Amino acid sequence: DQQVKQNSPSLSVQEGRISILNCDYTNSMFDYFLWYKKYPAEGPTFLISISSIKDKNEDGRFTVFLNKSAKHLSLHIVPSQPGDSAVYFCAAAELPGNDMRFGAGTRLTVKP
Amino acid sequence: EAGVVQSPRYKIIEKKQPVAFWCNPISGHNTLYWYRQNLGQGPELLIRYENEEAVDDSQLPKDRFSAERLKGVDSTLKIQPAELGDSAVYLCASSLSPGELFFGEGSRLTVL
Repeated sequence: DQQVKQNSPSLSVQEGRISILNCDYTNSMFDYFLWYKKYPAEGPTFLISISSIKDKNEDGRFTVFLNKSAKHLSLHIVPSQPGDSAVYFCAAAELPGNDMRFGAGTRLTVKP
Repeated sequence: EAGVVQSPRYKIIEKKQPVAFWCNPISGHNTLYWYRQNLGQGPELLIRYENEEAVDDSQLPKDRFSAERLKGVDSTLKIQPAELGDSAVYLCASSLSPGELFFGEGSRLTVL
């Protein structure tokens, strides 16, 4: 069962503009959410996380927003850079360290 | 600091043959995970170790898959016999604190 869904398989934006990647989940027990970035032939690398007690977490150019009532989170990248081009995975868990469920990923392409 | 090391990077075998993957986690990380990533999908947890104890192996197909983590450090994941549907990337990850996983580059398995 797909408990974490990333409905957009790909996204293309212009350098300097905002990238918005979306993620929906179905399990109301999820309380911990993360975004990972993956370059080709490499393993995913942790980007940013948020717990359910917050609705926003910011780290430099990256901001994650959480809407628990809608079971939706999004990752904003501002400004987008060509080096941000990668596959972004959304992940969720009931507790940090527990079985983490991943979405299928969104391939972001940032054009110069 | 060295990251999570996996080997082999690539493995091509015929169906019904055995295969093994090895993982060396980041030094000091007591939690180790094996994930499987099928093409176009996000990683799926196979097994999680806390030190040498498997604390979550509910999604490991135990009829053909086995894993061990002797001495709570390195880990091996074995498939015997392999089936066509086992073709995937097998990712190892480790963590010190709950939540933030550090992934290796993965072992890509092709079963012919």
